[in-house]
Amino acid sequence: TQLLEQSPQFLSIQEGENLTVYCNSSSVFSSLQWYRQEPGEGPVLLVTVVTGGEVKKLKRLTFQFGDARKDSSLHITAAQPGDTGLYLCAGVSVRGSTLGRLYFGRGTQLTVWP
Amino acid sequence: NAGVMQNPRHLVRRRGQEARLRCSPVKGHSHVYWYRQLPEEGLKFMVYLQKENIIDESGMPKERFSAEFPKEGPSILRIQQVVRGDSAAYFCASSLRTSGGYNEQFFGPGTRLTVL
Repeated sequence: TQLLEQSPQFLSIQEGENLTVYCNSSSVFSSLQWYRQEPGEGPVLLVTVVTGGEVKKLKRLTFQFGDARKDSSLHITAAQPGDTGLYLCAGVSVRGSTLGRLYFGRGTQLTVWP
Repeated sequence: NAGVMQNPRHLVRRRGQEARLRCSPVKGHSHVYWYRQLPEEGLKFMVYLQKENIIDESGMPKERFSAEFPKEGPSILRIQQVVRGDSAAYFCASSLRTSGGYNEQFFGPGTRLTVL
């Protein structure tokens, strides 16, 4: 079973469109991180959200952490071909025994066409 | 300003051989994690180490797999008697701290293991 569910699994859009990617769980997380991964490379950290309801912006990317710290979303405005990649959400569980590990969603593969 | 370094980037082994994967964390980071990524399955936690200590190995198979992070030198993930099912991308990550549930992990480029 997957602790974090991401949707959609695949997203193919035209340059200039807006999109939202979702990351949901029934579990509470101390923090949640978003990564982007390109083929043949490791995940690159985009942002960490810690507080319930927190919103962070990174240029055209807006990240939100749910009030109950069980879900998160990533919104991209005016997508560009350079945004193409696999977007992964990963959470740190509140359980002390598993404090070190990240639980990953399966990812959303985004393709932005020029 | 080096990030996490992993080598080799690609490793080919025949069934029954040993695979050794190396990871040098970000300078100053004392927490190291290993993850395995299989197609269609996403990244799965394997083991969490601090210098000279294994903190959590609950994600690592009990047989054939071992990990260490010595006082000096890189962290090593060792797979003995590899089988085809071990073929995957193995990623190492490091972090500065884990206090209060805040645990930003920075990933290396991975080692792609192929077992023939």
